[in-house]
Amino acid sequence: AQTVTQSQPEMSVQEAETVTLSCTYDTSESDYYLFWYKQPPSRQMILVIRQEAYKQQNATENRFSVNFQKAAKSFSLKISDSQLGDAAMYFCAYRLPTGNQFYFGTGTSLTVIP
Amino acid sequence: DTGVSQDPRHKITKRGQNVTFRCDPISEHNRLYWYRQTLGQGPEFLTYFQNEAQLEKSRLLSDRFSAERPKGSFSTLEIQRTEQGDSAMYLCASSLGVQHSGANVLTFGAGSRLTVL
Repeated sequence: AQTVTQSQPEMSVQEAETVTLSCTYDTSESDYYLFWYKQPPSRQMILVIRQEAYKQQNATENRFSVNFQKAAKSFSLKISDSQLGDAAMYFCAYRLPTGNQFYFGTGTSLTVIP
Repeated sequence: DTGVSQDPRHKITKRGQNVTFRCDPISEHNRLYWYRQTLGQGPEFLTYFQNEAQLEKSRLLSDRFSAERPKGSFSTLEIQRTEQGDSAMYLCASSLGVQHSGANVLTFGAGSRLTVL
């Protein structure tokens, strides 16, 4: 079974600083997709960044980047120059290429301190 | 296109009543998913449709739960004889059903929050 673990229930960061959110996953597959989703308070979940497991290069989207360590089954999210609008729950998710289910972690609540 | 729409946003009901949630996906998306999210947890898969066919159901989906997607457009999720344990946020998401592609990402609606008294 695929499982996704986010070991940090809560994190905080000073505005303009950098924060890293951790995610590990368990799979026996070699090809899969990984995602980070953001869920602001009382708002819908939106995609932040995605990574294909067959790509060695870490994905980057503006201030968001990932550190994908396939052997360690680790997929952390780095947020640079944190902004107040980054405050949200962040969910790590996993999907097989042929799969229809997305498996989510339990989330990390990020607080941005002005 | 305004994204994925869900209705109602909030529903308070008494135990034993039936409730129905509606989801309107992004029009060009052929896949539609229902997830349930409880406080402090990530979304848990309930079921998904490809066009009008319900192709997969989670063990979480008891006999009291039924989902439909007539004509492959909007979907409804009905919960019969609600129980307090059904209280949760019910999330709908849609996607392009493109396998072997990173383009198959979920676009979520804002959710329908159910409170069972």
